[in-house]
Amino acid sequence: GNSVTQMEGPVTLSEEAFLTINCTYTATGYPSLFWYVQYPGEGLQLLLKATKADDKGSNKGFEATYRKETTSFHLEKGSVQVSDSAVYFCAVRRGADGLTFGKGTHLIIQP
Amino acid sequence: ETGVTQSPTHLIKTRGQQVTLRCSSQSGHNTVSWYQQALGQGPQFIFQYYREEENGRGNFPPRFSGLQFPNYSSELNVNALELDDSALYLCASSSQGEDQPQHFGDGTRLSIL
Repeated sequence: GNSVTQMEGPVTLSEEAFLTINCTYTATGYPSLFWYVQYPGEGLQLLLKATKADDKGSNKGFEATYRKETTSFHLEKGSVQVSDSAVYFCAVRRGADGLTFGKGTHLIIQP
Repeated sequence: ETGVTQSPTHLIKTRGQQVTLRCSSQSGHNTVSWYQQALGQGPQFIFQYYREEENGRGNFPPRFSGLQFPNYSSELNVNALELDDSALYLCASSSQGEDQPQHFGDGTRLSIL
């Protein structure tokens, strides 16, 4: 079956620092890849997605590139803000299997 | 545009009881998926419904069952509740297709005593 491994937190950064959250996946063929975010007290929200190799998803200053050769989908942001503090989930989907999520990375941004 | 809504928000049951959770899909979506999220973990896929038929299932026992109605709303039923069933249950709706993003409701928090 599908699986996702992502770095576990908490990850603590200062405001304006560069962010990378690593994500690797296992799946057959060419799955679709997603990053979801869960802000404190809120539900899961789609952050970005990529559906084929070398695609780059982007939203709110976050980016992630679908790397088929390394089966990775690392999340990056050039300058984080306090408002980016949340739990980030990497997910993979193939066919009708539903989303397979990683365990989540708790990000804490300090002013 | 109305998003995904779930009811109830919280629920307390005892071991051996049965529970029904409800979900209304986002307008225009024809596919509904259910997930179980234990504390501090990522959501786990339970099953998916399309055109009122289950068309995908995760590693959950048959006592987890569901329905999808003609208006695309859905129910999750769990029989013979166990302590380990305590979790946040999330409903997500989408258009058909693996590349379509799923939009999540805020979930139902189920506690088993």
